Amino acid sequence: EAQVTQNPRYLITVTGKKLTVTCSQNMNHEYMSWYRQDPGLGLRQIYYSMNVEVTDKGDVPEGYKVSRKEKRNFPLILESPSPNQTSLYFCASSLSRGQRVHEQYFGPGTRLTVT
Amino acid sequence: GQNIDQPTEMTATEGAIVQINCTYQTSGFNGLFWYQQHAGEAPTFLSYNVLDGLEEKGRFSSFLSRSKGYSYLLLKELQMKDSASYLCAVSDHNTDKLIFGTGTRLQVFP
Repeated sequence: EAQVTQNPRYLITVTGKKLTVTCSQNMNHEYMSWYRQDPGLGLRQIYYSMNVEVTDKGDVPEGYKVSRKEKRNFPLILESPSPNQTSLYFCASSLSRGQRVHEQYFGPGTRLTVT
Repeated sequence: GQNIDQPTEMTATEGAIVQINCTYQTSGFNGLFWYQQHAGEAPTFLSYNVLDGLEEKGRFSSFLSRSKGYSYLLLKELQMKDSASYLCAVSDHNTDKLIFGTGTRLQVFP
């Protein structure tokens, strides 16, 4: 089954404790992206990757890191989480952007709480 | 800059028709998407418009007017399961980003 998977689905952690949220897709998509979703603010892009070893900042990259060493995986790293990073996080993937824009497939989401 | 506006909430009756509007401002328009998102779940793709006009897909249709910076999603024969948030998103080829609106929460009543 074609899908985007994220782990963990739920996480409660404390301020300053490094964490990684994994994202993996099995559709051979070049483009991958991380979003956070907060009430009243909608989906905001954190980082995106056009292909392996290529990553770029989205609209809200502060406090986050990403890597794209393999095509299928795009982990999101919070080196020192803070309470304002409490949010619902989505990973998404799509075929290469290029001239034609393709729909994004979203993972099930990771609900993160930082106390 | 980029800006997307859509109503925060709408209500409708089962079996009825509802139109959800979206207006946008972007310097490098490269297509508009509509996504459906049930509470606590991931967004799922509904439609894509890049040229002016109406795209029909079953009970759902989406319209685009690039000159007006306007789109709407039309849902016909509403069902209870259509209660969800509907997200308008615009692709910008200058920034290569997909910018989402804050979503319209639709409640369908019996």
